[in-house]
Amino acid sequence: EAQVTQNPRYLITVTGKKLTVTCSQNMNHEYMSWYRQDPGLGLRQIYYSMNVEVTDKGDVPEGYKVSRKEKRNFPLILESPSPNQTSLYFCASSEGQGRSSYNSPLHFGNGTRLTVT
Amino acid sequence: AQSVTQPDIHITVSEGASLELRCNYSYGATPYLFWYVQSPGQGLQLLLKYFSGDTLVQGIKGFEAEFKRSQSSFNLRKPSVHWSDAAEYFCAVGARTGANNLFFGTGTRLTVIP
Repeated sequence: EAQVTQNPRYLITVTGKKLTVTCSQNMNHEYMSWYRQDPGLGLRQIYYSMNVEVTDKGDVPEGYKVSRKEKRNFPLILESPSPNQTSLYFCASSEGQGRSSYNSPLHFGNGTRLTVT
Repeated sequence: AQSVTQPDIHITVSEGASLELRCNYSYGATPYLFWYVQSPGQGLQLLLKYFSGDTLVQGIKGFEAEFKRSQSSFNLRKPSVHWSDAAEYFCAVGARTGANNLFFGTGTRLTVIP
C-alpha cells in the first residue's frame, strides 16, 4: 500500500532534549515536505526537499533541521525543542521532477503530535 | 505572495442538506487550487484540484468546486451531505513555481447532525 509513515504518532518531551521525528514514503517520490498544524493557523511549511541532498526552508524553519540522505526518508530534527514547538506535525510527499512537482498532489502521513514541556 | 482565506471556522449542516464551503485566495496569477479533507486523527487527503481548463472540477466522495477568477474564489460544494463527511476541510493555493509549496487556509470544521 502506498503510504507516508511517520513515527512516533505521539511524543511528549522536555525543553532542550533533542528529538527526531521520522518520515518514510514507499512511492519513490522525489518531493517531501514537513508541515506543522496549529489551531487557527492551518498548516505551515517547515522545510521541503526536492530530491536527495536537496533541502530548503519553508515558512517557519526556525528551530528545525532536516536531512535527505535517501529518497524515501526525510527526518525532522529538533535539536533543542521549546514549548512553542508543541504542535501537530505532518510529513508529505509527491511525485515531481524539479519544476513539474507542483502538478502532483501531496500524500500526507497521519501526523505526529508533539508536546514540549 | 499567495494567501488563502476560509472565512467559516465551523459549519453545521443536517445530513442530506447541501453544503458549500468558502475559499478565497490571493495570488498574482492563475493559481493551482486544492481542497483537502482531514478526518480526526488522520492526515490530509486530496479531494480535488484545479490546474487549468474547466472551472468546475469534480472530486472524490461527490464533492465539486468551482474556480471563479473574478471573485478569487474556489468554493467547495456537495449536494447532499453524509454523516461521514464530518471532518475538517482545507483549501490550499499553490504557486506556479518548482517548489510545490502550498499555502493552506486555516480550515473549516464541518459538523453533520442527523
